Amino acid sequence: NAGVTQTPKFQVLKTGQSMTLQCAQDMNHEYMSWYRQDPGMGLRLIHYSVGAGITDQGEVPNGYNVSRSTTEDFPLRLLSAAPSQTSVYFCASKEGGGGEQYFGPGTRLTVT
Amino acid sequence: GQQLNQSPQSMFIQEGEDVSMNCTSSSIFNTWLWYKQDPGEGPVLLIALYKAGELTSNGRLTAQFGITRKDSFLNISASIPSDVGIYFCAVDRGSTLGRLYFGRGTQLTVWP
Repeated sequence: NAGVTQTPKFQVLKTGQSMTLQCAQDMNHEYMSWYRQDPGMGLRLIHYSVGAGITDQGEVPNGYNVSRSTTEDFPLRLLSAAPSQTSVYFCASKEGGGGEQYFGPGTRLTVT
Repeated sequence: GQQLNQSPQSMFIQEGEDVSMNCTSSSIFNTWLWYKQDPGEGPVLLIALYKAGELTSNGRLTAQFGITRKDSFLNISASIPSDVGIYFCAVDRGSTLGRLYFGRGTQLTVWP
């Protein structure tokens, strides 16, 4: 198993540009989520999904959209990037009920 | 939003020393988690605590879930250079959906 994979690993955007951060997992996990990590901060939840077709907002959802058309994939979309979205983004997945949450390696995004 | 107060913010210790860090909250949580993050990677779960008063070990790591359900601590005994990294406490907001609040982290440096 590859676990949780994220692409790209690094990205630089100009203010106002749009892009999609990709996340995929091959563990057949029901739950997937996106977090952002800023310097000196812990991770903060952006959006999460409890299954295909079901998404909900986390702690800091503004400026981000998500969709979950398959169990495996959970892309995060920035429609109009802002410098405040400069951060490291982590995708995570876990199976339903209890169980460990597995994190991807992260995407480092810089918005100029 | 929910605040997890994690301390200390950073620690500089010599190889072989023991380490202790803790996390407190103003709210009650039923699951406390401790993660470690290596540079350029996502967090990895070290220990999960599900019961108030529970003391759990994982090798040289020991963690306790406070009896009030508002705090937890992590101890590392006989530290080694590969213990270097950022340690995060986290709580599950409930319903085992994997919606985690994270503390701000403790940066651990171990001198050989």
